[in-house]
Order: sequence, then C-alpha cells, then structure tokens
Amino acid sequence: DAGVIQSPRHEVTEMGQEVTLRCKPISGHNSLFWYRQTMMRGLELLIYFNNNVPIDDSGMPEDRFSAKMPNASFSTLKIQPSEPRDSAVYFCASSVGEHEKLFFGSGTQLSVL
Amino acid sequence: KQEVTQIPAALSVPEGENLVLNCSFTDSAIYNLQWFRQDPGKGLTSLLLIQSSQREQTSGRLNASLDKSSGRSTLYIAASQPGDSATYLCAVPYSGSARQLTFGSGTQLTVLP
Repeated sequence: DAGVIQSPRHEVTEMGQEVTLRCKPISGHNSLFWYRQTMMRGLELLIYFNNNVPIDDSGMPEDRFSAKMPNASFSTLKIQPSEPRDSAVYFCASSVGEHEKLFFGSGTQLSVL
Repeated sequence: KQEVTQIPAALSVPEGENLVLNCSFTDSAIYNLQWFRQDPGKGLTSLLLIQSSQREQTSGRLNASLDKSSGRSTLYIAASQPGDSATYLCAVPYSGSARQLTFGSGTQLTVLP
C-alpha cells in the first residue's frame, strides 16, 4: 500500500501566482481531508469530502481557496491568487468509514514570496 | 466548540524512562480519540485509536487510556528510546461529527541516549 500521496513536496512561488496541490488517497478510502499546519495555528481542517462530495468547507479561509475531487482517487487544492500568509504545510489525509484511523500524506511545504 | 489541550508542550527524558503524555478535551460527547506521531518534516502517523466505548488501547510499548467523563486521555510510553523522539498529538472529533478532527498543539518529546 503506497499510502496517501501528495505532490509536490515543496512549492515556492511568488505572490499573486496560482498554486495547485495534489493528493491521491488510499484506494478504498471514502473520506478525504485537507489540513493546513502552521506554527501559530497548529493543524486546521480546510475541507473534507465524503464519496467525492464536499461535505464541509467552512475551514477554507477565503474565496481564494478552492478544492475539487473529480473522482475517488484524486483531489486538488488550489490557491489563486496566492499570498505570503498562505505559506504553510498542507496535508491531505484519508480514511475509510467513520470511527476509523486517519492516514496522512507527507505534506506539501508551500512558500509564497 | 471542541478544544483540545496537551500538557506538557515539551518533554525531555533519558533513555529507558517510562513517561506519560496528557490530553484534555472540552466536549466529552466524542466518538473516539486518536493519538498521532509527527516526525520533523513529515506527515502524521496514527498510533492508537480509542473508541468511546473503550477505556484503553495498547500497541507494543504504547498504551493510551480514555476517560470521557473527565475529558482526558493519556499516552503512556514504556522504556522510552531515542527513536521515540517526535511530536505527539491527540485529536478528537468536532462536536457532533465523527469525521472532522480537532487537534491538540502537541507534546514535543526528546529521548536522550
């Protein structure tokens, strides 16, 4: 099992540019989560999907953030336009069913200059 | 709103010691509680998941306990090793949701050889 796969591992971009983060959940998992981690705020849930449908996006900080899950094996998180305060580590995680363990990817370290 | 607190924020112990990490949460109506480990620059790895009906879970040298009524959980690590050095986070579901997790800020553990 390859686990949750995220790409890229590192992204450095300039303010105003569009950034797209990608995630492949574990096969068979029906829930997918996007988290953001910073020193100041810790881990924050941005959005989660169940069976490819967005269930709760109340954690998405602004309209500049959007997420999609076109099928069970792929999701994207897009920031357009990016700002320096978006710099953080973005994690994707998946789980199968409720009351089950959450499996995290290795994260994308985003730096917006 | 669920709030999760972890004490201490950092802990340093000599190799071989037994130690306890603490986690408290404000809303006791939880489905489960998870303990995670995070190594520097890496994603989170789920260590133990305790269902609300359980009092404790064990995996190797790790033992996690749960007291829902008092809103507390502990992670006991026996015979600590330098390889146990990492940040340990606990997480519980948002109030009324099994899928969305609220994370504590973590305890950074250093085991000295």
